[in-house]
Amino acid sequence: DTAVSQTPKYLVTQMGNDKSIKCEQNLGHDTMYWYKQDSKKFLKIMFSYNNKELIINETVPNRFSPKSPDKAHLNLHINSLELGDSAVYFCASSQARLAGGLQETQYFGPGTRLLVL
Amino acid sequence: DQQVKQNSPSLSVQEGRISILNCDYTNSMFDYFLWYKKYPAEGPTFLISISSIKDKNEDGRFTVFLNKSAKHLSLHIVPSQPGDSAVYFCAASPSSLLMDTGRRALTFGSGTRLQVQP
Repeated sequence: DTAVSQTPKYLVTQMGNDKSIKCEQNLGHDTMYWYKQDSKKFLKIMFSYNNKELIINETVPNRFSPKSPDKAHLNLHINSLELGDSAVYFCASSQARLAGGLQETQYFGPGTRLLVL
Repeated sequence: DQQVKQNSPSLSVQEGRISILNCDYTNSMFDYFLWYKKYPAEGPTFLISISSIKDKNEDGRFTVFLNKSAKHLSLHIVPSQPGDSAVYFCAASPSSLLMDTGRRALTFGSGTRLQVQP
């Protein structure tokens, strides 16, 4: 069973279109994240949600809107796609635990490869 | 500004030998560190982690060492196997009890591509 799943795995679309990426985790975690892997291969945080509440919202254009219908799902909707949005988007989830300090190990989905033409 | 740096973009070792991957960080607020392994077209897979209260953590062939004063950590793989060939990412997060859950986003390094030669 896949712990963190994303759909679609590949997404090719035209500039100006609106698209959504879905993420689901079956780990029972409270927190979910969206990361973007840019052309230089850095993974950077975009958003985090805890129990359906938005916690982190980095400087991401407001064309990107996350939505969490329940704590097992975190979807990413992108309006008016631009060429620079082409990247790999990773969803992750975590559950905080106390072990010599508060620790959260994040588990990642397989990624969605978005190509905007 | 890169708060987590992996200065070696690639590393090649012979099967059976030790692989040592290095990572440096600059943010003193980081006190939980993780290594992820990534194969092409897959998501990062958690490998091993270490809290700042420790200086070493072992899990089978993988050992992570943390030198807080130098703000440096390393991942040792012994013995290296061809299946270990992948990109390894170092990541760090603050894990203060004062921080709300969900605020501990990971800051990643740029990765080191490890090639283990048979």
